[in-house]
Amino acid sequence: DTGVSQDPRHKITKRGQNVTFRCDPISEHNRLYWYRQTLGQGPEFLTYFQNEAQLEKSRLLSDRFSAERPKGSFSTLEIQRTEQGDSAMYLCASSPARTGIETQYFGPGTRLLVL
Amino acid sequence: AQKVTQAQTEISVVEKEDVTLDCVYETRDTTYYLFWYKQPPSGELVFLIRRNSFDEQNEISGRYSWNFQKSTSSFNFTITASQVVDSAVYFCALGRGNTGKLIFGQGTTLQVKP
Repeated sequence: DTGVSQDPRHKITKRGQNVTFRCDPISEHNRLYWYRQTLGQGPEFLTYFQNEAQLEKSRLLSDRFSAERPKGSFSTLEIQRTEQGDSAMYLCASSPARTGIETQYFGPGTRLLVL
Repeated sequence: AQKVTQAQTEISVVEKEDVTLDCVYETRDTTYYLFWYKQPPSGELVFLIRRNSFDEQNEISGRYSWNFQKSTSSFNFTITASQVVDSAVYFCALGRGNTGKLIFGQGTTLQVKP
């Protein structure tokens, strides 16, 4: 039984570069979430997919951020023209879509450092 | 407004002591869920418990127990006979709405010393 996986685990980039992260959810989980966690803080919601549809985006997700989930399987999160303030841990989580609010299972995260 | 407050930033105890981590939440929803997650130094969030707003029964799982009180909007977590391996950051979270997105508190860093 494999959990949520994320790739890469670490990314160092220069300001202004574009980066893309990948998340593979637990198989058969319809819902996929992206969160961002900065040092000393709790994770903050960025966006959420149910199958391939992106149903909600936080205002934290500026125009430089875009997320996709083609075919309702893996998801990618792209940050264009990175800024130093984008340095954070990017967490992906998945859950089944049954009634109520199901438990989200998190991946190991991608730690981004923008120089 | 939806909010989760973990007032204790850091707690340090000696092994075998009991420790309680506090969580207070704010919501206007009548149906919501509360969660606790553990984040060890490796960074991955590990699910501990999920509780819905209609179930106020306390729960015990081994050395872990949870006290949910709607009257005070609190969902506190107690570790009995703490161990060094319990050292981690613990997050309380509120799940709401049809999306299930989570609103996290700022976390409590627990250090258990041998």
